[in-house]
Amino acid sequence: GAGVSQSPSNKVTEKGKDVELRCDPISGHTALYWYRQSLGQGLEFLIYFQGNSAPDKSGLPSDRFSAERTGGSVSTLTIQRTQQEDSAVYLCASSPLAGTGGTNEQFFGPGTRLTVL
Amino acid sequence: GESVGLHLPTLSVQEGDNSIINCAYSNSASDYFIWYKQESGKGPQFIIDIRSNMDKRQGQRVTVLLNKTVKHLSLQIAATQPGDSAVYFCHNAGKSTFGDGTTLTVKP
Repeated sequence: GAGVSQSPSNKVTEKGKDVELRCDPISGHTALYWYRQSLGQGLEFLIYFQGNSAPDKSGLPSDRFSAERTGGSVSTLTIQRTQQEDSAVYLCASSPLAGTGGTNEQFFGPGTRLTVL
Repeated sequence: GESVGLHLPTLSVQEGDNSIINCAYSNSASDYFIWYKQESGKGPQFIIDIRSNMDKRQGQRVTVLLNKTVKHLSLQIAATQPGDSAVYFCHNAGKSTFGDGTTLTVKP
């Protein structure tokens, strides 16, 4: 079956512009995560959605970052007034079971590479 | 506080040798771990997991060992192949914490 998909695969933008990154999780997965990965670094947790519960936004680095998950499926990560330090790969993952952090495998998408000039 | 860290940031091995990647953790509330493999340009992929009621689990060419006493786990890859070259992350599945990863390079 289809895995997690993300779009666009690459995004180049100018400093100060807003960007939207999209994630299509695996159908039926209740948990969805966003991570940021800078070059050569680990995964930085951003936000976590679990079913209809309020999302865990504890990882968002500033109020320029926000995310939505509509209808318990597709999620959009929005970065307003982008800065050069926002340049990174943004990874989305989904998991079949609910629960903070999940106790099951996270299925990752290929990521969106964001470059802010 | 909690941390999930890797002992070594890089590991280089000869093709055919065995590889051992280590991970230490400090949070005793979540003894469930997953090892992920991330190849260049791709998202991480599940390799193997281990729960707190186990101290060893084997997969195909991979073995994970969990030592709860010293809060340490390791990933052993037998007969390492060039296709094993990647970044390996240990993940405390009770949290969203990932370590920085260990980059494994397999020399032909």
